[in-house]
Amino acid sequence: DQQVKQNSPSLSVQEGRISILNCDYTNSMFDYFLWYKKYPAEGPTFLISISSIKDKNEDGRFTVFLNKSAKHLSLHIVPSQPGDSAVYFCAAGSDYKLSFGAGTTVTVRA
Amino acid sequence: GAGVSQSPSNKVTEKGKDVELRCDPISGHTALYWYRQSLGQGLEFLIYFQGNSAPDKSGLPSDRFSAERTGGSVSTLTIQRTQQEDSAVYLCASSLGNRGGETQYFGPGTRLLVL
Repeated sequence: DQQVKQNSPSLSVQEGRISILNCDYTNSMFDYFLWYKKYPAEGPTFLISISSIKDKNEDGRFTVFLNKSAKHLSLHIVPSQPGDSAVYFCAAGSDYKLSFGAGTTVTVRA
Repeated sequence: GAGVSQSPSNKVTEKGKDVELRCDPISGHTALYWYRQSLGQGLEFLIYFQGNSAPDKSGLPSDRFSAERTGGSVSTLTIQRTQQEDSAVYLCASSLGNRGGETQYFGPGTRLLVL
């Protein structure tokens, strides 16, 4: 029973353009959401988060949008840079427990 | 300060053998988590420790899996009688443990291959 889904396994974008990553969840009890970035042979690193009381959180080039009625969140990266090439995991939590999506591999083309 | 560390980084074992995976959390973090990532899958929650409270073991896939946390710091995940389906990356994370909704900080993982 996968409660968090990332339906796009991969995304290719040109350097300087916007990357949009999507994530859907099913559990209405989730009250906070995070995005993690993972390079090969490394653990996931925290990128940005949003609580369920907000619909947008911005940090530099990264913005997370939350649509609670649709149980959908997205991550926008603007402008995309070659160093952004990585696997991005969406995670949703209630209290201490996080559920993760399967990840989206982003490739930024020069 | 130092991040979460895990050892070994890679482990190859034969089916039926026992393995022990170690995690050193960030100093001062009272919450510790173990996850498993199988090929092409997201991270799967295994177990959660918070201070001296009884751990949440609800994610452990079978009784061959166990974990302990000694002295509220280092944790060891043990897999007995390993099976090929246990092959995965085992990730440890820690957080401050003050409240729910905290950011979890991950170690680099242990890549386990069961032949």
